[in-house]
Amino acid sequence: SQQGEEDPQALSIQEGENATMNCSYKTSINNLQWYRQNSGRGLVHLILIRSNEREKHSGRLRVTLDTSKKSSSLLITASRAADTASYFCATALYTGGGNKLTFGTGTQLKVEL
Amino acid sequence: EPEVTQTPSHQVTQMGQEVILRCVPISNHLYFYWYRQILGQKVEFLVSFYNNEISEKSEIFDDQFSVERPDGSNFTLKIRSTKLEDSAMYFCASRGDSIGYTFGSGTRLTVV
Repeated sequence: SQQGEEDPQALSIQEGENATMNCSYKTSINNLQWYRQNSGRGLVHLILIRSNEREKHSGRLRVTLDTSKKSSSLLITASRAADTASYFCATALYTGGGNKLTFGTGTQLKVEL
Repeated sequence: EPEVTQTPSHQVTQMGQEVILRCVPISNHLYFYWYRQILGQKVEFLVSFYNNEISEKSEIFDDQFSVERPDGSNFTLKIRSTKLEDSAMYFCASRGDSIGYTFGSGTRLTVV
């Protein structure tokens, strides 16, 4: 599998429900970030969790990171129709080079009224 | 809130033509990046730029690609001879000393 694979690939829920997306990666990381992308639009940074952190909250978002399992999850609580978008995880490893992000395959979330 | 600006938002070009995609990073940022996303696929790293030189590039970033910071504000990606498979959304990103990235809204390049 590739660095940064997410599951499910697609998720459809009702408004008010919680949405959980998972991300797995293969290499060491310095941090893991989650981005949102509305259809055909730009990437919006949601939340960043460092490798020495296990959980982080921001509003309705909760991110966990398990470096032993090389996995992360993004929980969106009390979802809204406006949360409909694609969600990507991206890992960062600072090697002294470009410190690039490696993106996952994404989860398409659809929140229905 | 500071933002990364990309122009144009959409560019259509003939195969074989040269295109220049433009980005204005956040003014006090030091690290600059180009990523691309082919329709329906994951976002892929192209190149990173720091201190007026390329610090890392991917296998995608071959000789037909080049980047430049011609002045103190712009950061450009040039594709010398476009191919159909270059059609994608191209994202510019910048980063300061902190670890957070800011992405632009992208340029959709369509090669016909």
